[in-house]
Amino acid sequence: EAGVTQFPSHSVIEKGQTVTLRCDPISGHDNLYWYRRVMGKEIKFLLHFVKESKQDESGMPNNRFLAERTGGTYSTLKVQPAELEDSGVYFCASSLSGGQYSSTDTQYFGPGTRLTVL
Amino acid sequence: AQSVTQLGSHVSVSEGALVLLRCNYSSSVPPYLFWYVQYPNQGLQLLLKYTSAATLVKGINDFEAEFKKSETSFHLTKPSAHMSDAAEYFCAASPDLLQKLVFGTGTRLLVSP
Repeated sequence: EAGVTQFPSHSVIEKGQTVTLRCDPISGHDNLYWYRRVMGKEIKFLLHFVKESKQDESGMPNNRFLAERTGGTYSTLKVQPAELEDSGVYFCASSLSGGQYSSTDTQYFGPGTRLTVL
Repeated sequence: AQSVTQLGSHVSVSEGALVLLRCNYSSSVPPYLFWYVQYPNQGLQLLLKYTSAATLVKGINDFEAEFKKSETSFHLTKPSAHMSDAAEYFCAASPDLLQKLVFGTGTRLLVSP
């Protein structure tokens, strides 16, 4: 079974440009999460989808970030316009159930997208 | 707000030595607790998780962690380090299994021959 995949693995853009990151969760996983790790700091939560709905977007830093999950499958995270402080590694994770869950539910992480804003 | 503290950004051990990575959480209600590992150029992989079923949790690759409510700790141990254990380790907490994870800052484990 394929794991969580993210594209691209690396992106280098200039300040003011737009970048779109993509995440493909494990097939059948209703929950999709985005996290970010800025250099040297902790991994921080950005938002959580349940299917196509935003369950929790309390971690989104500002309105330059837009996340979508059309059809409840893959998700995109767009940064427009990018700023220097947006540099970091963006992780996507998915987990199985959207309703009643069991103790086996775990967030499975992708390899991350390293974003560098110059 | 929930927080997770990992003491030591870097821990160095010799091959065959005990590995101890420290994690403390701050919460009025014991949360679910996790240890993830990130090997170079890979994503985060779950090592083990505490979900209140048992205080001593065994994970993959002979890692284990013990939940101690009185100390609000969830330290990760392994009896004998291998070179392949060199990676970055993250402790995380969540109020339930479907909510966001709150991570510590990570500890990089260095293993020398």
